[in-house]
Amino acid sequence: NAGVTQTPKFQVLKTGQSMTLQCAQDMNHEYMSWYRQDPGMGLRLIHYSVGAGITDQGEVPNGYNVSRSTTEDFPLRLLSAAPSQTSVYFCASSVAGVGIYEQYFGPGTRLTVT
Amino acid sequence: KQEVTQIPAALSVPEGENLVLNCSFTDSAIYNLQWFRQDPGKGLTSLLLIQSSQREQTSGRLNASLDKSSGRSTLYIAASQPGDSATYLCAVRPEDSNYQLIWGAGTKLIIKP
Repeated sequence: NAGVTQTPKFQVLKTGQSMTLQCAQDMNHEYMSWYRQDPGMGLRLIHYSVGAGITDQGEVPNGYNVSRSTTEDFPLRLLSAAPSQTSVYFCASSVAGVGIYEQYFGPGTRLTVT
Repeated sequence: KQEVTQIPAALSVPEGENLVLNCSFTDSAIYNLQWFRQDPGKGLTSLLLIQSSQREQTSGRLNASLDKSSGRSTLYIAASQPGDSATYLCAVRPEDSNYQLIWGAGTKLIIKP
């Protein structure tokens, strides 16, 4: 049981390039999400999904796309990278349902956009 | 809008001391509160989760309390060790959140040998 995995661990992009951050979980969790972490701030929600085929925007969705074709995978796509997207990105998953379920986090992807 | 604050932003104490980290939130309508640990360049490790109906949770040398009415949670670390050095984050799940967690910016803890 690997939990939540993310690839790559590190990535450097040039402004305007696109890329996909991968996230997978093997716990059969319905809920998955992407957060970004910037210095001096709390994590902020980018997008989330409550099941295959269902996605929705979080607090800071601009510049990012997601899709959920399987329960296990939830990739995050940067369409045209900008220096403001330099951040650490975390993927999380949990059982869906009201209230009580703990969220599990991947190890993060550190992205630098030059 | 729910806001979560952690004060102080950084804390340095000698090894062996008992210490308390603070987390406050502005809206008491939450499902639960989680405390996480983050080591430099690493991911997030969940330490304790307190449901809104609970007052505290314990795991080893860690004890987290929750006072919903006053919008406060504390993480108590007993007999601190250098290995406890990390950033500690708290996050609340609001009742109207659609699963979103609202995070504090964290307290960076350094335990001096």
